[in-house]
Amino acid sequence: GDSVTQMEGPVTLSEEAFLTINCTYTATGYPSLFWYVQYPGEGLQLLLKATKADDKGSNKGFEATYRKETTSFHLEKGSVQVSDSAVYFCALSVRWTGNQFYFGTGTSLTVIP
Amino acid sequence: DADVTQTPRNRITKTGKRIMLECSQTKGHDRMYWYRQDPGLGLRLIYYSFDVKDINKGEISDGYSVSRQAQAKFSLSLESAIPNQTALYFCATSDGRGTSYEQYFGPGTRLTVT
Repeated sequence: GDSVTQMEGPVTLSEEAFLTINCTYTATGYPSLFWYVQYPGEGLQLLLKATKADDKGSNKGFEATYRKETTSFHLEKGSVQVSDSAVYFCALSVRWTGNQFYFGTGTSLTVIP
Repeated sequence: DADVTQTPRNRITKTGKRIMLECSQTKGHDRMYWYRQDPGLGLRLIYYSFDVKDINKGEISDGYSVSRQAQAKFSLSLESAIPNQTALYFCATSDGRGTSYEQYFGPGTRLTVT
């Protein structure tokens, strides 16, 4: 079945460090891939997306590239800030399953000054 | 104003009580969803609705029911609440006419069943 696996947390980084959060997926069709961010006490917000292989999604300095050959969609940021502290969720949606979303378990990121 | 709103934001109830969580949206989307979030488990789909007359069970529908009163309103009911239904509940919407179907989330309802 369709599923997403993302790296376990929590992750703690110093300000201006490089961030990678790994995400791999299993899908029976051709999924769209997403990263969502959840700040403390809030709902999930769409951070970026990619709808086909080799697409790169980007937003707020975050990037992720849809790699079909490795079934991956890793999230990266070159220089994190304290304000990036949040929980990050990788997700996929497949058209043939009515576009249901499948979420990873989330990775908590804390950035310290 | 927020596009997806949920009421109440926090609720404490006792075992056996009936409770309803409400969701409203102003995005004009046809699709609506209910999820629960538990630590370490991510989000799990409870029910989803692609239009007012189309309601489907998700991964964990047992103990829950839903009502789609209008395109903009989707409520979740716990007929007889139990402690393991203590969780954070999210409503989400998406546009079925779009191409990537990203979902937009409400702020969540924190439910505690004692």
